[in-house]
Amino acid sequence: KAGVTQTPRYLIKTRGQQVTLSCSPISGHRSVSWYQQTPGQGLQFLFEYFSETQRNKGNFPGRFSGRQFSNSRSEMNVSTLELGDSALYLCASSLGDLRSSYNSPLHFGNGTRLTVT
Amino acid sequence: AQTVTQSQPEMSVQEAETVTLSCTYDTSENNYYLFWYKQPPSRQMILVIRQEAYKQQNATENRFSVNFQKAAKSFSLKISDSQLGDTAMYFCAFMNGDYGGSQGNLIFGKGTKLSVKP
Repeated sequence: KAGVTQTPRYLIKTRGQQVTLSCSPISGHRSVSWYQQTPGQGLQFLFEYFSETQRNKGNFPGRFSGRQFSNSRSEMNVSTLELGDSALYLCASSLGDLRSSYNSPLHFGNGTRLTVT
Repeated sequence: AQTVTQSQPEMSVQEAETVTLSCTYDTSENNYYLFWYKQPPSRQMILVIRQEAYKQQNATENRFSVNFQKAAKSFSLKISDSQLGDTAMYFCAFMNGDYGGSQGNLIFGKGTKLSVKP
């Protein structure tokens, strides 16, 4: 079974631009959650999508948005990029929704490294 | 709001020895789950071990075990017979188990960087 695939692996953007990251979950997984990882703040939850619906959202500004398609693939969009958005963005998939992930553990992708200059 | 604290930013251990990584959390909830995740230098995060708050028995997965002290809100990870492949960043994480609760997300600690030395 193929793992969670995130594309692209690396991105360099300039301030003010927007960016779209993609996450393809493991086949059959219906939940995709997104995380931002930075040296200063560590790992922070962005949002979760389950069956094309946003279930939960972390404490991030509205510039961060996402969506999920009928095949469970998810995209995350960041508009009006700021220098502080430079981070590793991880997505994870699981069979059930995030709250049931105790029984259906999360599977993480390798991440997308976003650099904003 | 729940918080997770990992007080050891970095640790090192000799191969074959035992190391314990500490994690404390703060919550007013009774139903929750705790996890340890490992992120090797290749970056793909994987689940190491998990514990349900209602279970008093400490979880064990091969060389990995936890010491779950619910009253003290402590959830430490013990790695026995450390191997070079255990070198990684280790994250402790908390999840509220109640549906309809105010938070439905994973809250991570800042991580402990573990180096296993030959």
